Amino acid sequence: QKEVEQNSGPLSVPEGAIASLNCTYSDRVSQSFFWYRQYSGKSPELIMSIYSNGDKEDGRFTAQLNKASQYVSLLIRDSQPSDSATYLCAVNRAGNNRKLIWGLGTSLAVNP
Amino acid sequence: GAGVSQSPSNKVTEKGKDVELRCDPISGHTALYWYRQRLGQGLEFLIYFQGNSAPDKSGLPSDRFSAERTGESVSTLTIQRTQQEDSAVYLCASRQSSGAMDEQFFGPGTRLTVL
Repeated sequence: QKEVEQNSGPLSVPEGAIASLNCTYSDRVSQSFFWYRQYSGKSPELIMSIYSNGDKEDGRFTAQLNKASQYVSLLIRDSQPSDSATYLCAVNRAGNNRKLIWGLGTSLAVNP
Repeated sequence: GAGVSQSPSNKVTEKGKDVELRCDPISGHTALYWYRQRLGQGLEFLIYFQGNSAPDKSGLPSDRFSAERTGESVSTLTIQRTQQEDSAVYLCASRQSSGAMDEQFFGPGTRLTVL
């Protein structure tokens, strides 16, 4: 089992729909969870961080964390073609170097 | 500058040559990470700096790879005797050390092509 797992996709949604991206992790003591967006040929860009159970909303983005079930999700409301990218889930590894463990990413395509 | 910067943005080299990649972290960020991303692949951790020391070098793929950091600022990743499998984008990220935040911020990367 990989430490951080994401469905590779591609996930295809029509413009204006809700895109739902999921991530599961194996380390029960993980404390910090992140979603990064990576456009083709570009570097990852942090879009959401979440540290406690429940929902965290920022504009059209909502991150949801459930530590008991060890999953974190990202909802994108009113999806736009500009949201088409690969979304990377990252989870901290407890320890002194606070290293992030990365999923391989989910490719999202928003169709006009 | 406000963000992480990396240079060069692109580097083409011949097999067997040495290359140096540079990273300037966000001012005040004492934690710095190097990653490698091969085409179509995920992020591969290489090395972590806290200040000028590297407590975690576990991701360096071979002894041809080394990195240093000076002045708790600029970091240089050196690849000696480059091989074609070293072709990838090399990404640098920095993080604040104070507080509990683990958020890392990435530079634009250096695309390395070994012919």
